[in-house]
Amino acid sequence: AQSVSQHNHHVILSEAASLELGCNYSYGGTVNLFWYVQYPGQHLQLLLKYFSGDPLVKGIKGFEAEFIKSKFSFNLRKPSVQWSDTAEYFCAVCKYSGGGADGLTFGKGTHLIIQP
Amino acid sequence: DADVTQTPRNRITKTGKRIMLECSQTKGHDRMYWYRQDPGLGLQLIYYSFDVKDINKGEISDGYSVSRQAQAKFSLSLESAIPNQTALYFCATSSGGDLNEQFFGPGTRLTVL
Repeated sequence: AQSVSQHNHHVILSEAASLELGCNYSYGGTVNLFWYVQYPGQHLQLLLKYFSGDPLVKGIKGFEAEFIKSKFSFNLRKPSVQWSDTAEYFCAVCKYSGGGADGLTFGKGTHLIIQP
Repeated sequence: DADVTQTPRNRITKTGKRIMLECSQTKGHDRMYWYRQDPGLGLQLIYYSFDVKDINKGEISDGYSVSRQAQAKFSLSLESAIPNQTALYFCATSSGGDLNEQFFGPGTRLTVL
């Protein structure tokens, strides 16, 4: 079965620091990759997604992620974080089988705290 | 108006009770999903449905059942609730195909005493 690993469960940064959250997946076939964010008390919102083409994808709020196929990685980055980025971040993978796209497999999440 | 709605938003129940969580969507998507979220475990797929006549088990379907009453409605039932089913439950939808971007509802916080 496929799995998604997020390297850091808790990250604490100061405002204006740079951010990189790691994500690796185990499935070797065709995948689509996602990063979702969950702000305190809210539901999941899509930050960005990768389907094909340019492996560097840009999302909302200044986030970007790079797909490195050889490393099975899809790391999330932001050059300068803000206090409002405090949230839970989830990496997710959708794989394709003979019947088409399956449900998403999520990582366990990274709890990001930005200190003013 | 929200595209994906869930009712109730919060529920406290006792062990052994039957509980139904409901999800409705106005996005016109064929595919609907139920996930549960536990602290430190991320989201785990319970059941998913590609259309009204197609229901599939996810990673953790034991103890749960679902009903797809219409394209827009997908219900999750706990036939006999137990305390370790205490969690945050999310419904999601997608149009499927090559995209499969999923859109999430606001969640239902279920506590089983």
